[in-house]
Amino acid sequence: QVQLQQWGAGLLKPSETLSLTCAVYGGSFSGYYWSWIRQPPGKGLEWIGEINHSGSTNYNPSLKSRVTISVDTSKNQFSLKLSSVTAADTAVYYCARGALLRYCSSTSCLGGPDYWGQGTLVTVSS
Amino acid sequence: DIQMTQSPSSLSASVGDRVTITCRASQSISSYLNWYQQKPGKAPKLLIYAASSLQSGVPSRFSGSGSGTDFTLTISSLQPEDFATYYCQQSYSTPPTFGQGTRLEIK
Repeated sequence: QVQLQQWGAGLLKPSETLSLTCAVYGGSFSGYYWSWIRQPPGKGLEWIGEINHSGSTNYNPSLKSRVTISVDTSKNQFSLKLSSVTAADTAVYYCARGALLRYCSSTSCLGGPDYWGQGTLVTVSS
Repeated sequence: DIQMTQSPSSLSASVGDRVTITCRASQSISSYLNWYQQKPGKAPKLLIYAASSLQSGVPSRFSGSGSGTDFTLTISSLQPEDFATYYCQQSYSTPPTFGQGTRLEIK
C-alpha cells in the first residue's frame, strides 16, 4: 500500500519561499517520477514539476525560474521550493507518484499520477 | 503548451444515466491521455490512463476511448458516488496539462 504524506508551512508573506516535503511509504521509490501539482481555490489543476530517484527533474516552464524540486533517497522523500511567492501562488499543493520510468520517453509518459498526498493549502498574504 | 478543452463544463444527470464527457487536445497526443475524478476537499483519483486503460480498483462502469486529439470518458450507469468533477490530462509533452474540468451534478 503506497502512501504519501506531505507537510510544510501553510501561510506565507509575499516574496517568501514556499517549502513542502513529501514522504513516500510503501512501493518502489526508484521506479517512478515524483510530482508536485497545485490547485488554486475553486480552480483547476496545474502541474509544477517532477523528479526521479537520480535527481533528474522536469519543470513547468511557467514556474521554472522559481521552482526547485529535490530528492532524498535515503528517506524516500522529495521536496518543493517555490521562491518569491505572490498571492497568485495561493493554492492547495499536492505531491503525487507519477508515471513509471520505464513507460516514459524523453518527452512522454504513459500514465499519470496514481497516488497523491493529502494536499496542503498554502496561502500567500501580507 | 498543449491546451486541453473539456465539454461540457458542467452536467446534470440522474442515477442510472449513461454519461459522456469529451476532451479535445490542441494537437495530436496519440493515446497519452489520462482521466481523473475529484471530490470536494480530496485529491484527484486516477480513473483511466493511456486513453482507455482502467486503473486498478476503478469500477468497470468507467471507460475511456479516443486517440489523436479527441477523447471521451463514459460512465455507463451513474452511481451516487460518481457525482464529482472530472479532469482530463495529457502526458504527451512537458508540461503535462489538464482540462478545465467537468462538474457532474445530480439532477
